[in-house]
Amino acid sequence: AQRVTQPEKLLSVFKGAPVELKCNYSYSGSPELFWYVQYSRQRLQLLLRHISRESIKGFTADLNKGETSFHLKKPFAQEEDSAMYYCALSGKGAQKLVFGQGTRLTINP
Amino acid sequence: KAGVTQTPRYLIKTRGQQVTLSCSPISGHRSVSWYQQTPGQGLQFLFEYFSETQRNKGNFPGRFSGRQFSNSRSEMNVSTLELGDSALYLCASSWGQGATGAQYFGPGTRLLVL
Repeated sequence: AQRVTQPEKLLSVFKGAPVELKCNYSYSGSPELFWYVQYSRQRLQLLLRHISRESIKGFTADLNKGETSFHLKKPFAQEEDSAMYYCALSGKGAQKLVFGQGTRLTINP
Repeated sequence: KAGVTQTPRYLIKTRGQQVTLSCSPISGHRSVSWYQQTPGQGLQFLFEYFSETQRNKGNFPGRFSGRQFSNSRSEMNVSTLELGDSALYLCASSWGQGATGAQYFGPGTRLLVL
């Protein structure tokens, strides 16, 4: 079964502090992992995906197949990072996304 | 490029009625996926269409159906509405071929069933 777990519904950190949003997955096969973000009053949008190995807005995420995790990290949080973050997976080449329940990140000034 | 558009944005229906939602993908995108978002269940995949064919289907009853037209625009239909169908329905488009790329989401249609 495909499953994505984001253990924290809410996460609050101070500006300038490091941020880590946790994501664990269950998938029999080679998944593709993504982080999507939804800022206030905006659409859901792709933040980054594991196959690109990129850093977007200072965020990075490493796929750890041994621990079946894809945690999202940023060394220094900024107030504009406050948003809802969703971890998602799909089968290779498939367009079906399985989402976690989301983590609401709040950056305090 | 214009983004994904969905119509209508808001809808109020009563139990037993049926509803049709529309989605226009980004120009050139051939894959359209539909998701249901509720506070309790989160974001759940409904189905995906590619080149007018349903390619993937989620775990929803047969009351939920969809179709895609030759211009890639898609509609989803829910028949015999139930109170539990109240949700935000999101449409997403993508190229649909090769490795899974970014899915571009629309603003959603908020459906309230009374």
